[in-house]
Amino acid sequence: DGGITQSPKYLFRKEGQNVTLSCEQNLNHDAMYWYRQDPGQGLRLIYYSQIVNDFQKGDIAEGYSVSREKKESFPLTVTSAQKNPTAFYLCASSIGVGELFFGEGSRLTVL
Amino acid sequence: DQQVKQNSPSLSVQEGRISILNCDYTNSMFDYFLWYKKYPAEGPTFLISISSIKDKNEDGRFTVFLNKSAKHLSLHIVPSQPGDSAVYFCAASALGGNYQLIWGAGTKLIIKP
Repeated sequence: DGGITQSPKYLFRKEGQNVTLSCEQNLNHDAMYWYRQDPGQGLRLIYYSQIVNDFQKGDIAEGYSVSREKKESFPLTVTSAQKNPTAFYLCASSIGVGELFFGEGSRLTVL
Repeated sequence: DQQVKQNSPSLSVQEGRISILNCDYTNSMFDYFLWYKKYPAEGPTFLISISSIKDKNEDGRFTVFLNKSAKHLSLHIVPSQPGDSAVYFCAASALGGNYQLIWGAGTKLIIKP
């Protein structure tokens, strides 16, 4: 079945550690996105990529980094520079301008 | 500055009745609006969309109405079913660009049996 796979579903991190969240899609979509969701708030865009080897910062990119070496993959690294990393992270993809398809999300907790 | 607002954090509706979820926006450049549904611990799934050239779009039990002069859109679900219990997000974009989707905070819909 086609879809988006995020891993891990749950992740715990100590302060000062970098962590990488995986996002893989087999929908052959060009565009991929990373969002962050906090309680009581809408989704906020961290980074997006329209094509391989290219990506753009979203509204809250500070403390995060991404890569897009393959069309299918768009990993997100939460660095130690991110002041408040505990959140629910969602990866999505789309065919250009169209509806977004989301993964099931990854919940990161900083201990 | 919240450009997309869903002022009701939650809404409770009797099964079989109509559910009406509201969304207001401030940016007159928005021209494409989407509704997504989200269950706990899952990603949102696309429900229905509307472009600013229309004032209504229907898909089965779901209808979205757009009032551009009031900068207001609403999602109607008729009849409401238990499986409709979820969080509903309204999102908007300008110039049809997904990359700049602006999201509301969501409304939790609870369908009572």
